[in-house]
Amino acid sequence: EAQVTQNPRYLITVTGKKLTVTCSQNMNHEYMSWYRQDPGLGLRQIYYSMNVEVTDKGDVPEGYKVSRKEKRNFPLILESPSPNQTSLYFCASSLNHRGGELFFGEGSRLTVL
Amino acid sequence: GEDVEQSLFLSVREGDSSVINCTYTDSSSTYLYWYKQEPGAGLQLLTYIFSNMDMKQDQRLTVLLNKKDKHLSLRIADTQTGDSAIYFCAESTGRRALTFGSGTRLQVQP
Repeated sequence: EAQVTQNPRYLITVTGKKLTVTCSQNMNHEYMSWYRQDPGLGLRQIYYSMNVEVTDKGDVPEGYKVSRKEKRNFPLILESPSPNQTSLYFCASSLNHRGGELFFGEGSRLTVL
Repeated sequence: GEDVEQSLFLSVREGDSSVINCTYTDSSSTYLYWYKQEPGAGLQLLTYIFSNMDMKQDQRLTVLLNKKDKHLSLRIADTQTGDSAIYFCAESTGRRALTFGSGTRLQVQP
């Protein structure tokens, strides 16, 4: 089954404790992206990757890091989480960046105390 | 710059038609999309339209595109309670793939 898998789905952590949200897709997609969803603000792009070893900042990259060492994986790293990073995070992938369907994971709800 | 705007909330009665509106700014967008987000889930593609089309119909869904005004709408005929969700408009924006609006929460009352 074609899917984008994120882990963990739910996480409560404390300020400053490094965490990683994993994302994996099984569709051999070139393009992957991370979004955060906040009430009234819709989806804002954090980082995206057009292919292996190619990443770039989205609208709200501050406080986040990503890596794309393999085509299928695109982890999101919060080196020192802060309460303003409490949000619902989505990973997504598509064949390429030129258009077409963007496939989303089910989301990771993160709370930073 | 790229900006996609939607109203935040729409309430309709079951069986009525729903119309969700969206405005966008990037006139070079090749595709425009509607995504649906059900509670506790990720977004799923509902339908899309090529920028050289004015209208697309798919069963209960009708998408209208007015390129001159940069206005996109989604009409859902015979709205059902299962249509209750958040609907996102999105435009294709080159390297960053898609820019999303803030989403319209559709509430369908029995």
